[in-house]
Amino acid sequence: QSVLTQPPSVSTAPGQKVTISCSGSSSNIGNNYVSWYQQLPGTAPKLLIYDNNKRPSGIPDRFSGSKSGTSATLGITGLQTGDEADYYCGAWDSSLSTVLFGGGTKLTVL
Amino acid sequence: EVQLVESGGGLVQPGGSLRLSCAASGFIFSSYAMSWVRQAPGKGLEWVSVISGSGGDTDYADSVKGRFTISRDNSKNTLYLQMNSLRAEDTAVYYCAKDRTVTTSWSFDYWGQGTLVTVSS
Repeated sequence: QSVLTQPPSVSTAPGQKVTISCSGSSSNIGNNYVSWYQQLPGTAPKLLIYDNNKRPSGIPDRFSGSKSGTSATLGITGLQTGDEADYYCGAWDSSLSTVLFGGGTKLTVL
Repeated sequence: EVQLVESGGGLVQPGGSLRLSCAASGFIFSSYAMSWVRQAPGKGLEWVSVISGSGGDTDYADSVKGRFTISRDNSKNTLYLQMNSLRAEDTAVYYCAKDRTVTTSWSFDYWGQGTLVTVSS
């Protein structure tokens, strides 16, 4: 069981919006930056969001990140079938001195 | 264009050893910390190890401490992971990943394609 908790799956229709939560503690999300990664089937992870809410160049503004206390949220608007993937949150844990990843959330666009 | 290309994976017996390599290009390799992250079949991501740009500082997940050794050759732009005393639970795809900044941000902006390590008799 991961220290960063994500829902195992979410689903929604094309064109809609979805949010994916990531819950942690004061030693990780509460006091460190959160990143989000997208992993399309059979491929390596791709950085979507860093420093809680910043997008690397080339990532569309349909993807957004936010953080409040010990939880973070990834938002995706205008969902497309090509967004079907596993999404992972990640953060440094100051107590464990390790990088933590959430268990991943499988997004299905019906 | 940044590229990370892993190699060295394969089938190994429990208790055996394997060395993974990650050839980097398209950025100033010696300026960035590099990590190994693994993913067991059908499972999530697990950070394994990190090495500073100079190679002077390293750290490991508890699950591999004492068995795995990370290193780098900045003259060859190559990252390594020496894996000893391998266990079945080490079976995974191993990715090398570049830190996003030169000051170790713990977010990874480029990943290799991964190399599969299977530990089985």
